[in-house]
Amino acid sequence: DVKVTQSSRYLVKRTGEKVFLECVQDMDHENMFWYRQDPGLGLRLIYFSYDVKMKEKGDIPEGYSVSREKKERFSLILESASTNQTSMYLCASRGGVFTGELFFGEGSRLTVL
Amino acid sequence: AQTVTQSQPEMSVQEAETVTLSCTYDTSENNYYLFWYKQPPSRQMILVIRQEAYKQQNATENRFSVNFQKAAKSFSLKISDSQLGDTAMYFCAIYNFNKFYFGSGTKLNVKP
Repeated sequence: DVKVTQSSRYLVKRTGEKVFLECVQDMDHENMFWYRQDPGLGLRLIYFSYDVKMKEKGDIPEGYSVSREKKERFSLILESASTNQTSMYLCASRGGVFTGELFFGEGSRLTVL
Repeated sequence: AQTVTQSQPEMSVQEAETVTLSCTYDTSENNYYLFWYKQPPSRQMILVIRQEAYKQQNATENRFSVNFQKAAKSFSLKISDSQLGDTAMYFCAIYNFNKFYFGSGTKLNVKP
């Protein structure tokens, strides 16, 4: 059974803190994604990685960075958290050469005070 | 640029009835994939159905079917015999060139 696991379901951080969101997939997928989900805005792509140590900016990369040292793990980093980064963060990996189906984690709800 | 528009923020349907969720998109590409994803309350997002743009035949998965109108760039989802477990946020998405673009979502409430 496919599985994408996000390390934290709920986090509360203070402005200026460094935040790490971890995501692990067990499907040997090459492509992994970080999305931000906000009401009325849907899912917006922050970063994606198409291979180990490879990354590409999505639509809203400002204030975020990522790390992919191993194929199964893709981390999202908020160098200095701000209140406007309070959101739900979804990690996904892409399976299927032709269909491109995404498999999602359960999400990490981050609150920045 | 790819954009996906879901014009219905929220919908309700009675159990066992049929409901249609709308989605329009904009792309300059000819080859792409379209998806409907479901996000139940406090649970992870799962794939409902997908459609390859080069296929004229509408995709069907049990009670879920799509009406794909390529020229109109429309991709609606029909849920037949609605069940309480269908209560969720539904997102329409387009995929090409390694990127997915999502709509803003439609919250569907199935009433007993």
